[in-house]
Amino acid sequence: AQSVAQPEDQVNVAEGNPLTVKCTYSVSGNPYLFWYVQYPNRGLQFLLKYITGDNLVKGSYGFEAEFNKSQTSFHLKKPSALVSDSALYFCAVRDERGSQGNLIFGKGTKLSVKP
Amino acid sequence: EPEVTQTPSHQVTQMGQEVILRCVPISNHLYFYWYRQILGQKVEFLVSFYNNEISEKSEIFDDQFSVERPDGSNFTLKIRSTKLEDSAMYFCASTGLRGLRNSPLHFGNGTRLTVT
Repeated sequence: AQSVAQPEDQVNVAEGNPLTVKCTYSVSGNPYLFWYVQYPNRGLQFLLKYITGDNLVKGSYGFEAEFNKSQTSFHLKKPSALVSDSALYFCAVRDERGSQGNLIFGKGTKLSVKP
Repeated sequence: EPEVTQTPSHQVTQMGQEVILRCVPISNHLYFYWYRQILGQKVEFLVSFYNNEISEKSEIFDDQFSVERPDGSNFTLKIRSTKLEDSAMYFCASTGLRGLRNSPLHFGNGTRLTVT
C-alpha cells in the first residue's frame, strides 16, 4: 500500500536561514512525488513534483526538493526562508501503477518562519 | 490562471440533514476528485470521477456519499444524512490535461462543513 510520512508536526526557522521539511514514502512501483502548500483558509497549492530525471527538482517560490531513491525520501528545501513561507506543507505520492491519479497525502508539517 | 471554484465556503447543517457541496473544476480537465481534511488531520482521499462515473473510492466514501456531474461544468458531493464526524473541510480537485499520472491535482479553496 502507498503511504507518506512527514515525521515533523512543526518546523521552526528564523528568517534568512535554510529550511528543510522532511518526507518519506512507500510505494510498490516507481513514485510520482508532489509537494503542496496550504495557507490558512485556502486550498492546497501545488509547489513542485518529481516524476523522473534529475533528483533535485525546483518549484515555485524558490522551493526545491531532493529525491533520494535509496532513502525513499523527498525532502522540501529552501536556501533562505521568508516569513511569508509560514504555512502547512503536504507531501504526496502517486504510484505509477495507481489507477486514477489520486494522491496519497502525508499528515502535513507546519512551517513557522520567525523574523 | 484557471481555478477550481467551490461553493459555499462554509456550510452549517444539523445532524441528519442532507448537504450538497458544489465544485466547478477547471474547464478542460477530465478527472475530478473529492478530498476531506478533518481539523488538524491529514488530507484524505474520498473519490475520483472520470467519464461520468466513479473510478475509485476510499473506505470513507460509504453509502451516505454520492457524486454527480449534473452538467458540463459542475461536480457535486452529496452527503445524504450528515453525522457529527462529517465535519471537515472538503476539497474538490481536478486534473488530466495530459499525462494523468504526472499531472498535479488542482485544488479549490474548500468548503468547511460544520455538522451540529
